[in-house]
Amino acid sequence: SQTIHQWPATLVQPVGSPLSLECTVEGTSNPNLYWYRQAAGRGLQLLFYSVGIGQISSEVPQNLSASRPQDRQFILSSKKLLLSDSGFYLCAWRGQKNTEAFFGQGTRLTVV
Amino acid sequence: AQSVTQLGSHVSVSEGALVLLRCNYSSSVPPYLFWYVQYPNQGLQLLLKYTSAATLVKGINGFEAEFKKSETSFHLTKPSAHMSDAAEYFCAQNFYSSASKIIFGSGTRLSIRP
Repeated sequence: SQTIHQWPATLVQPVGSPLSLECTVEGTSNPNLYWYRQAAGRGLQLLFYSVGIGQISSEVPQNLSASRPQDRQFILSSKKLLLSDSGFYLCAWRGQKNTEAFFGQGTRLTVV
Repeated sequence: AQSVTQLGSHVSVSEGALVLLRCNYSSSVPPYLFWYVQYPNQGLQLLLKYTSAATLVKGINGFEAEFKKSETSFHLTKPSAHMSDAAEYFCAQNFYSSASKIIFGSGTRLSIRP
């Protein structure tokens, strides 16, 4: 069966520090991968999605970047965090034969 | 532009009452549609999905939704609310292609009154 791992679960980082959130999927090949952000009291904002290794589409200009160094690994990064980067970050995957996406448990990021 | 609109950011119903959460989509062709549920500090769990088969879709936890092309709607219902239904609910759409983006509505927080 397929599983998705996202870590860490919570993170507190100072303004100006770097960020690296990792997401890995098991049990499937060549999935579509997604990073979403959920700010307090708001819906899910699609940040990045990827249809293959090294292929990244950015949805919103911002202080973040994403990379897909391996087929089932998706990384969200920042060189210098801003206060506005605080939020709940969710990774998701969709298989080539799936219509729906499956979500990780999320990372609660607080920038102080 | 494709979008999903959820009417009502917060809905409150009494335990045992009907639950109705509204979702409207905007696209030139009928998309695939989904309802997800999110409990506090957790990821999203799929409740049900519409993929162009039956227009009335039954999901987990007693929820169902009906696809109405004429109204571009996909409202979520449950005949009798339970306290455990209190959560955030998201409507979403995508199209079945390798480059498809999954677009979510802004969410509706469901509260259940004893």
